[in-house]
Amino acid sequence: DAKTTQPPSMDCAEGRAANLPCNHSTISGNEYVYWYRQIHSQGPQYIIHGLKNNETNEMASLIITEDRKSSTLILPHATLRDTAVYYCIATTGANSKLTFGKGITLSVRP
Amino acid sequence: KAGVTQTPRYLIKTRGQQVTLSCSPISGHRSVSWYQQTPGQGLQFLFEYFSETQRNKGNFPGRFSGRQFSNSRSEMNVSTLELGDSALYLCASSLEGTGYHEQFFGPGTRLTVL
Repeated sequence: DAKTTQPPSMDCAEGRAANLPCNHSTISGNEYVYWYRQIHSQGPQYIIHGLKNNETNEMASLIITEDRKSSTLILPHATLRDTAVYYCIATTGANSKLTFGKGITLSVRP
Repeated sequence: KAGVTQTPRYLIKTRGQQVTLSCSPISGHRSVSWYQQTPGQGLQFLFEYFSETQRNKGNFPGRFSGRQFSNSRSEMNVSTLELGDSALYLCASSLEGTGYHEQFFGPGTRLTVL
C-alpha cells in the first residue's frame, strides 16, 4: 500500500466546512483512497473511498487531484460530534489489510 | 442490521496467562479481520479470516492466533501474555467484493495485562 502523509492536527469552527488533506504521492493506478475516522475509544468508522473521480456521500466529499497524488476529505458542515482522528489509507483492496498511519486529529470548536 | 459485536469489552489478565477474545461479524459478512491498537504503535493489522481460513497475516509473534467458525464468528487468542500486549483489540468484518474495501469495526476489547 502506498504511504500516506497527513498533518497531525487541525481544527475548525462548528458549522463550517472541514477540509482534511492527505498526500499519497506514490499511489499506484489500482490503489483506492479510503478515509476512516475514529471517535475516541470507539472502533474506526468508514467514511468514503474513491479511485480517480470525486465522490460524495451523506457524510462527506472526497476530492482527488488529477494526478492522484493528493486528496481532500471535506466535511461540509462540521459538528462537535465530528471531533475524531481521521485516517487516509491507500490500498488496492485486494486483501482486507488496512494500513493505518497516525491520522489527523480534527477538533471542532463551538 | 446488528453491527459487529465483541466480547468481552474489558479484560484484565496477568503476565503469562492466555486470553481469548470473540467477535461476531455483521450477518452475511464472511471476512473478519483483527487489529491491535496501542498508543505507541497505533492501529496494526493482526490477521484476517475468510471462510474459516487465515487469508492474511500481519507481523505479530506466534503467540497471537485466531480462528473462524463456519458461522463466520471469529476468536483470537493470545498466549503467554506480556505487559506490551495491553491494548485495544478491534475486530472488523466486510463483504467480499473486488475493489470495495469497506470494513465495519466493532467497539473493541480493552485488554489490560498486569
